Amino acid sequence: EAGVTQFPSHSVIEKGQTVTLRCDPISGHDNLYWYRRVMGKEIKFLLHFVKESKQDESGMPNNRFLAERTGGTYSTLKVQPAELEDSGVYFCASSVKGPPGEQYFGPGTRLTVT
Amino acid sequence: TQLLEQSPQFLSIQEGENLTVYCNSSSVFSSLQWYRQEPGEGPVLLVTVVTGGEVKKLKRLTFQFGDARKDSSLHITAAQTGDTGLYLCAARKSGGYQKVTFGIGTKLQVIP
Repeated sequence: EAGVTQFPSHSVIEKGQTVTLRCDPISGHDNLYWYRRVMGKEIKFLLHFVKESKQDESGMPNNRFLAERTGGTYSTLKVQPAELEDSGVYFCASSVKGPPGEQYFGPGTRLTVT
Repeated sequence: TQLLEQSPQFLSIQEGENLTVYCNSSSVFSSLQWYRQEPGEGPVLLVTVVTGGEVKKLKRLTFQFGDARKDSSLHITAAQTGDTGLYLCAARKSGGYQKVTFGIGTKLQVIP
């Protein structure tokens, strides 16, 4: 069974540009989560989808971040326009059940904004 | 201020030694999880504890949830080089839907 996949693995963009991160959860997992780890800090929750609906988006930093999960399958996280402080590793996770069900994490996308 | 304080943040030990890492908070949690993360990969769940005082064992790893459900420890017996990695605790507060909060992690290096 394929695990959670994320694309790209690395992205380097300039301040002001737009970047879209993609997450493909494990097939059949209705719950999908986005997290971010900024260098030197802990992993922080961004948002939680149940199928195509946003269950909780309280962790989204600001309105430059837009997450979608059309059709309840893969999800995208778009940052527009990117700022220097957006640099970090963005993790996606999926689970069959909601919290505290076991979450399976993807390898992350390392985003660098210069 | 971090909700979950992990200590130590860095630990380097010889193979065969025992070690304990801690995850502490002033908040009460409904559940607490320990993850292990290797470079270039996402965290992998090791264990979930939900009951105060609960002890779970996973081979040479022993996990304990505090009686008051505010803290936890991970003890590794006879560490091996394969135990090297970043150990993260993550917890969810009691009451309704609560998002998970992570600690900053303990980076463990086991030297042969």
